[in-house]
Amino acid sequence: ETGVTQSPTHLIKTRGQQVTLRCSSQSGHNTVSWYQQALGQGPQFIFQYYREEENGRGNFPPRFSGLQFPNYSSELNVNALELDDSALYLCASSPGVGSSYEQYFGPGTRLTVT
Amino acid sequence: AQSVTQLDSQVPVFEEAPVELRCNYSSSVSVYLFWYVQYPNQGLQLLLKYLSGSTLVKGINGFEAEFNKSQTSFHLRKPSVHISDTAEYFCAVTTDSWGKLQFGAGTQVVVTP
Repeated sequence: ETGVTQSPTHLIKTRGQQVTLRCSSQSGHNTVSWYQQALGQGPQFIFQYYREEENGRGNFPPRFSGLQFPNYSSELNVNALELDDSALYLCASSPGVGSSYEQYFGPGTRLTVT
Repeated sequence: AQSVTQLDSQVPVFEEAPVELRCNYSSSVSVYLFWYVQYPNQGLQLLLKYLSGSTLVKGINGFEAEFNKSQTSFHLRKPSVHISDTAEYFCAVTTDSWGKLQFGAGTQVVVTP
């Protein structure tokens, strides 16, 4: 059983640029959540996708957007990058509502904005 | 809205000594509680969870936690730590059946010989 994978592992962008991060969910999981983990802090919920529809959003501006594809993989897009967007971005998948509430996390993508 | 407070940012501990990591939460509705561990340069791994039932929850790697509703706490314990337990530990809560998690700020555990 393949776990949650994310790509790329690391990337460096310049302020004002746009970035796309990718996540492949664990086999059989139809729900994907994205979290931002700034250095020295706990992860913050960005949004969740269920069967290609957004299913809840945290306190993040609209320049953070996402997609989920029919195979349940997902993308996180961030426009107009700011220095404070530098963080570890974590993707988590789960089998769906009421599924013991457990999230399975990927290794993350480390984004540095200069 | 709910919130999570981890009372210690860093806990130094000697190998084979016990450790307790403290977590308090606030919520106006019933919660589901989790402890995750993050090793350097890795994602999060679930240690244990409380959904309902027995308030003493046992997890992986010898960890356990106790849910205390009256004190709104969910402290994590291990009776004897190993060097390999050096990591960051996060307490998390959700009131959502979809599992959207709110995390505490984390506790860094440093185990020394």
